[in-house]
Amino acid sequence: DGGITQSPKYLFRKEGQNVTLSCEQNLNHDAMYWYRQDPGQGLRLIYYSQIVNDFQKGDIAEGYSVSREKKESFPLTVTSAQKNPTAFYLCASSILGLAGEQYFGPGTRLTVT
Amino acid sequence: EDKVVQSPLSLVVHEGDTVTLNCSYEVTNFRSLLWYKQEKKAPTFLFMLTSSGIEKKSGRLSSILDKKELFSILNITATQTGDSAVYLCAVINTNAGKSTFGDGTTLTVKP
Repeated sequence: DGGITQSPKYLFRKEGQNVTLSCEQNLNHDAMYWYRQDPGQGLRLIYYSQIVNDFQKGDIAEGYSVSREKKESFPLTVTSAQKNPTAFYLCASSILGLAGEQYFGPGTRLTVT
Repeated sequence: EDKVVQSPLSLVVHEGDTVTLNCSYEVTNFRSLLWYKQEKKAPTFLFMLTSSGIEKKSGRLSSILDKKELFSILNITATQTGDSAVYLCAVINTNAGKSTFGDGTTLTVKP
């Protein structure tokens, strides 16, 4: 089955700790994205990557870091510098160049106390 | 900075009603506008619109884009309780990697 997987589904961390969220896709998509969603709000773009070994900051990149060493994988690290890390994080992928539909993973709900 | 505004923020209707959701945008170098439905977790794709005046239709849902007035509408006829969800609008600029989402419209359909 083709798709995007995110793990874990729920994650709890203490303040001051870095945490890495996993995102894997087997759709052979070039582009991958990370979004953050807070209650009652839409999706805000954190980072995106159009090709392997290249990525760009989105609208709210501060306190986050990413890597894109493989086409299939785009992990997101939430660092201790992120002031309000508790949120729902969604990963997505798309076929580069079509500027269209993004396929979303099931999301990771991160709670930092 | 690209901007997407959806209205209303929330809507409560009864089964069988028809609803219209609005999405207005400001984007440099517009490429396409997309509608998604988000029920609990991952948004699922509904429509992609690139040209003005051409209605996209899927069952009871339809959508149209006006590139002159910079807005799109999503219509749902004969609503059902299963239509209850958050409906998200997003615009993509010509840099294919970047999209901007609105805050969504929360639709609740009561039996």
